Amino acid sequence: DIQMTQSPSALSASVGDRVTITCRASQSVSNWLAWYQQKPGQAPKLLIYQASSLESGVPSRFSGSGSGTEFTLTITSLQPDDFATYYCQHYNSYSSFGQGTKVEIK
Amino acid sequence: QITLKESGPTQVKPTETLTLTCTFSGFSLTSRPVGVGWIRQSPGRAPECLALIYWDDDKRYSPSLKSRVTITKDTSKNLVILSMINTDPLDTATYYCAHRRDYDGNWNGGAFDIWGQGTMVTVSS
Repeated sequence: DIQMTQSPSALSASVGDRVTITCRASQSVSNWLAWYQQKPGQAPKLLIYQASSLESGVPSRFSGSGSGTEFTLTITSLQPDDFATYYCQHYNSYSSFGQGTKVEIK
Repeated sequence: QITLKESGPTQVKPTETLTLTCTFSGFSLTSRPVGVGWIRQSPGRAPECLALIYWDDDKRYSPSLKSRVTITKDTSKNLVILSMINTDPLDTATYYCAHRRDYDGNWNGGAFDIWGQGTMVTVSS
């Protein structure tokens, strides 16, 4: 099974900050990588698919990059609505999620 | 507008079989490349993909749960059903069904663009 490791597991940031979250795969997943945002009591929301494609309706301050084994999710100017937990998911050979990164208010 | 909604028991006893139903609307599970998946999330943990079924009845399963999980569909009623045998307290989780983002390729899995609200299931005696 492919293991997905996110870093950091949690971070504190202020509104307006640039935030970067990293996801590493234990073996290459090509560009079959998605990012989700999840708020308490809600289902995950798809932000990015195929590593760098922005899902319809998602603000352009979210972007994804990477291929192979290393990926990043960047939020260019953190907004109050962005405080949440973020997960990466590979879907190269079946699928698995990273353990999550909680973005908290500083 | 695509919607999905999960239903089933809120509690089952250990070793019992859990059966969950996903009722969907806004798309057809008879058209290429449509797929629907089941994902669960234990409290405080990351989501875990359980199974995925495609329009042509092709299926994918989590390697770790393959022996206990079965996914089926009833296209006449717009349903996707998940069955899990021999349940354990570790199966306690919120179970979601979700629409696989349409992509004609990479049948190993997919990103999920529309999710149901989830249904909480407790496995306890």
